[in-house]
Amino acid sequence: EAQVTQNPRYLITVTGKKLTVTCSQNMNHEYMSWYRQDPGLGLRQIYYSMNVEVTDKGDVPEGYKVSRKEKRNFPLILESPSPNQTSLYFCASSNDKGLAGNEQFFGPGTRLTVL
Amino acid sequence: TQLLEQSPQFLSIQEGENLTVYCNSSSVFSSLQWYRQEPGEGPVLLVTVVTGGEVKKLKRLTFQFGDARKDSSLHITAAQPGDTGLYLCAGESSGSRLTFGEGTQLTVNP
Repeated sequence: EAQVTQNPRYLITVTGKKLTVTCSQNMNHEYMSWYRQDPGLGLRQIYYSMNVEVTDKGDVPEGYKVSRKEKRNFPLILESPSPNQTSLYFCASSNDKGLAGNEQFFGPGTRLTVL
Repeated sequence: TQLLEQSPQFLSIQEGENLTVYCNSSSVFSSLQWYRQEPGEGPVLLVTVVTGGEVKKLKRLTFQFGDARKDSSLHITAAQPGDTGLYLCAGESSGSRLTFGEGTQLTVNP
């Protein structure tokens, strides 16, 4: 089944404790992206990647890191999480080098709470 | 940062009524997408519009892209309870950046 998977789905952590949210897609997509969703703000893009070893900042990259060492994986790293990073996070992938109107397939989301 | 404003933010209607959701920006987008999101799930693409003035229909849903490619609308005819969900518009700009609106939470009551 073609899908985007994220782990963990739920995470409660404390300020400053490094964490990684994994994202994997099995559709051989080149484009992958991370978003956070907050009430009243919609989805905001954190980072995106147009291919292996190619990443770029989205609208809200501060406090986050990403890597794209393999085509299928695009982990999101929070080196020192803070309470304002409490949010619902979505990973997405698309089947072209860029979006170009192509469909993005979203993962099920990771709900992160930073105390 | 390009902004997309959606209106209304919340909409509660009775089954059988018609409704329109608007997505507006001062920026030009190369394409505009509409997604629907259910609780506990990620957004799912409904449609992509690319050409200014383009109209696409998906059963009871009609999507229109403005002539200047700055705005879009989603019209639902004879809404059903199954249409309940969060509707999101998203505009694509250069560099494959996707900007989302805040979303419209639609509730269709039986």
